Amino acid sequence: GAGVSQSPRYKVAKRGQDVALRCDPISGHVSLFWYQQALGQGPEFLTYFQNEAQLDKSGLPSDRFFAERPEGSVSTLKIQRTQQEDSAVYLCASSIGTGDNEQFFGPGTRLTVL
Amino acid sequence: GESVGLHLPTLSVQEGDNSIINCAYSNSASDYFIWYKQESGKGPQFIIDIRSNMDKRQGQRVTVLLNKTVKHLSLQIAATQPGDSAVYFCAENPNAGNMLTFGGGTRLMVKP
Repeated sequence: GAGVSQSPRYKVAKRGQDVALRCDPISGHVSLFWYQQALGQGPEFLTYFQNEAQLDKSGLPSDRFFAERPEGSVSTLKIQRTQQEDSAVYLCASSIGTGDNEQFFGPGTRLTVL
Repeated sequence: GESVGLHLPTLSVQEGDNSIINCAYSNSASDYFIWYKQESGKGPQFIIDIRSNMDKRQGQRVTVLLNKTVKHLSLQIAATQPGDSAVYFCAENPNAGNMLTFGGGTRLMVKP
């Protein structure tokens, strides 16, 4: 796998359901980021991992949002009790180091909450 | 696929012309800036970056200019091609090594 992959690509949930979104970063990349992109807008930061440590979660909009990266590779973003305003594309990015390194983005997961 | 940029400012250019996309950034402490290209249904793709100790950087067919005095970035694309049609975002890194703050984006449409 050459790039960042995300699954599922599309997710439809009923309001109140829990969802889990997966990110497979580029192998060996230390840093992993989650962003939320509403339609017609730029991505907005949610949270950042350095290996397995979640160093910044200041962008998570509520305590319904939870992210983990237990082994410092694959990451999961979980949203509990989804609401319509959670509908967006969720992007994952990884970078090789911890400084000003290029972030490589996955294709995103489009979440639609009905 | 996902549609990006339904309500974004649009720049329409003729194939072969040069394109200039502008961006104002917000944080005077930012020291790293990136331009991304996003096609429908895809994640942002890195184009070019620049650090705050530079005011110009050139890549293949692209040039980024940074004016720190007025907190302005521009992306110049030479000899624009139909494959350049996409939404372009500038991003700044206000905290080195951590998250990016993205601008609102501009849709570039290239007419053949």
